[in-house]
Amino acid sequence: EVQLVESGGGLVQPGGSLRLSCSASGFTFSSYAMHWVRQAPGKGLEYVSAISSNGGSTYYADSVKGRFTISRDNSKNTLYLQMSSLRAEDTAVYYCVKVSDYYYMDVWGKGTTVTVSS
Amino acid sequence: EIVMTQSPATLSVSPGERATLSCRASQSVSSNLAWYQQKPGQAPRLLIYGASTRATGIPARFSGSGSGTEFTLTISSLQSEDFAVYYCQQYNNWPSLTFGGGTKVEIK
Repeated sequence: EVQLVESGGGLVQPGGSLRLSCSASGFTFSSYAMHWVRQAPGKGLEYVSAISSNGGSTYYADSVKGRFTISRDNSKNTLYLQMSSLRAEDTAVYYCVKVSDYYYMDVWGKGTTVTVSS
Repeated sequence: EIVMTQSPATLSVSPGERATLSCRASQSVSSNLAWYQQKPGQAPRLLIYGASTRATGIPARFSGSGSGTEFTLTISSLQSEDFAVYYCQQYNNWPSLTFGGGTKVEIK
């Protein structure tokens, strides 16, 4: 069974840091690009970051550029999102998402909640 | 950035009726359009990709159509489990994938 399991969310103060992890199983992790997508409370879906299958190319939404870093360890089948200089507006459920060969998002994790508050 | 606009924001439908959801792209995305369903407290689930191809396990009452800038998701006969929020997303120029704002399908 194809599965993505996020972890690492929690409560953090403004200006703080957090690292999210996503453990992948049931598919050849190293063959697919991966994304982080977030959803603020009561809001829609927002693309956060993407990484190519070999990790050589990374991409960010303007709202997180310079503050977040996406990475992956294909030997551990794990995707990461290092978040720093966190703001209240970063409060959201963060989803780890696999994209297909054609780049639609075919597998979603259950999400991990990040709350930025003092 | 390609802007995706969904309408209506909320659709009130009785069980058994047809629901028609619209999605418009600010520029052509060819057929690189996906639809997702999200129920409260759950992650989104892929329904349709390639504008009209149902994902694995998706019932035939869900159908997608369109190309270029205008797309439609139709649910032919709404079941109780179909009341949810639906998002369209273009994937024409990865990694800049953009979502529509969503359409909430609620019970009339």
